[in-house]
Amino acid sequence: QKEVEQDPGPLSVPEGAIVSLNCTYSNSAFQYFMWYRQYSRKGPELLMYTYSSGNKEDGRFTAQVDKSSKYISLFIRDSQPSDSATYLCAMLGDDYKLSFGAGTTVTVRA
Amino acid sequence: EAQVTQNPRYLITVTGKKLTVTCSQNMNHEYMSWYRQDPGLGLRQIYYSMNVEVTDKGDVPEGYKVSRKEKRNFPLILESPSPNQTSLYFCASSPKGSEQFFGPGTRLTVL
Repeated sequence: QKEVEQDPGPLSVPEGAIVSLNCTYSNSAFQYFMWYRQYSRKGPELLMYTYSSGNKEDGRFTAQVDKSSKYISLFIRDSQPSDSATYLCAMLGDDYKLSFGAGTTVTVRA
Repeated sequence: EAQVTQNPRYLITVTGKKLTVTCSQNMNHEYMSWYRQDPGLGLRQIYYSMNVEVTDKGDVPEGYKVSRKEKRNFPLILESPSPNQTSLYFCASSPKGSEQFFGPGTRLTVL
């Protein structure tokens, strides 16, 4: 079993819809939780970064971490065609090794 | 401009011919790391470095070497490349390891 599980999708939504992405994990030592966005042929770009449990909002993006359930989520409100990309969750523990989910490919249809 | 640069961006080589992929960052970050990205397997960490002269293995270190002699540079060395090392490679840097900033990637093909 992988340390971080993420549904690869693909996920297709109409413009303006809410995109909901999630990851589950098995390592209780993870303390830092991140979401990256990766456009085709580009490097991953950090979107959201959360330490421990809780919610964090940045514009149209909301990240949630539930450490008791070992579950993290990313919500994108009012989705735009420019949000079409692969979204990767990532987690870091005390050993400073970063573990990624497989990534979910999202397409926002105009 | 704050950035992570990698060279070369594209490389085609043959089995057994030693190669080095360079990585440099201008953000004075302590932490640097190398990843490979393969379809269906996602991003996997090869090696990381918490500081100068300190390196540690990630999840897939076999067949790779790294060195960290200066804070800004973290080259990835393939002493004897094999076809199973054909992949997309990313270098990243971070102030402490959490918020990592990625380079543009190096696409390596080993024939």
